[in-house]
This record gives sequence, structure tokens and C-alpha cells, in this order.
Amino acid sequence: QQQVKQSPQSLIVQKGGISIINCAYENTAFDYFPWYQQFPGKGPALLIAIRPDVSEKKEGRFTISFNKSAKQFSLHIMDSQPGDSATYFCAASLRSGGSNYKLTFGKGTLLTVNP
Amino acid sequence: DAMVIQNPRYQVTQFGKPVTLSCSQTLNHNVMYWYQQKSSQAPKLLFHYYDKDFNNEADTPDNFQSRRPNTSFCFLDIRSPGLGDAAMYLCATGSGRGEQFFGPGTRLTVL
Repeated sequence: QQQVKQSPQSLIVQKGGISIINCAYENTAFDYFPWYQQFPGKGPALLIAIRPDVSEKKEGRFTISFNKSAKQFSLHIMDSQPGDSATYFCAASLRSGGSNYKLTFGKGTLLTVNP
Repeated sequence: DAMVIQNPRYQVTQFGKPVTLSCSQTLNHNVMYWYQQKSSQAPKLLFHYYDKDFNNEADTPDNFQSRRPNTSFCFLDIRSPGLGDAAMYLCATGSGRGEQFFGPGTRLTVL
């Protein structure tokens, strides 16, 4: 059972455009929602994250929008650049005791930004 | 810079020949994770340590084992690698706030 559903699977955007990736979750016990950016051959890098008591978080060109009632969250990349071309994973974190957390990942979105 | 370091970056082994992958961290996090990631897929959690407490995922094959001799180091042992074990192996640490920080990964090839 996939607990975090991510869409689209792939996305092509023109330089300067807005990239939008959506995720939906089922388990209301999730308490932290990070996004990871992964370039080919590299490990995932934490991009931006949000807690469920916040509806929006912005860091530079990257914004997370969070809708707790709908159990949905999304990543917006403003002024998309060719260097943003990567695979993006949404994730949801569940605390399993102390400072021990486990991540559930979406299946990923391959973003291509054309020059 | 505080980092998660994985060695080697590329590992080639033969079918059935044991292999050990290593991870070290300078973040002093008490949680360390091992993930397997195959092409075009999300990382899949194999197991994790909370301090010295080992937690195995239910679907992690017995072929995979791990050791954590101290806070800074963690090892992944694959006892008898099969062709299906060829993948990127990612080590991560947990900050205790839900964030996880990944290393660059070790690409394992099984011949």
C-alpha cells in the first residue's frame, strides 16, 4: 500500500516557467513533509520541508503549499531553470519513538527544464 | 563541512562474493539509515539504527546485514550478492526532527 502518492511522474517545463509537483498522503500521523532533489548518480538532497501546522513555506524559488484537510501538499518551483532538472521526491515522516523517524517516499517526478 | 560520507562510491563484485559498504557521519546524529535505490525508483529502507538499537524492515532479505560499531560509522554487509542486488545504496542520518540527510551513495554492480 503506497501511503504517499506523487504526480506527475514526469514534467517538462520551459525555462522561466513554474513547475508544480503534487503529493497526497493517507496517514494522518505523518508529522513532517520534506522534499528531496536528486541528480543522476547522486544521493537525495533535502530541498525544503514543512510541518502540518503551516500552510505554506517559501525558500527562494521553492515553495511548499500544504492542505491538511485535503491531506495534500505540493512543491512549486518558480522561474524554473535548466539546472533544476532532476528527480524530485516528496516524503512524509512518521515518528517511531524518541528521535527516531521513518520516511515514506512518493515515487518521484522527473523534471526537465528546457532552455 | 558536516557530512555523510560513503565509501566506496562504486563497487563491483561477483555473484555470491560478499561485499561491505561503509558510511560515516560528522553530524553526530543518533539515527542512521540504509536505503536501496534502483533505477527510476524511490529509495527503499532496508534498516536503521537508533543509537545501537537495530531495526530491520520486514521485507529486507536476510542476505543484508548491518553493523554500527560507534555513532559515526555504519556498515552494510551483503553476504551473497545476486544480480538483483545491483543498485545504489544510500546511507542517511536523522536529525531527530524528521529530516534525513543522505550521503552520495555507493553504486553496486554485480557481475
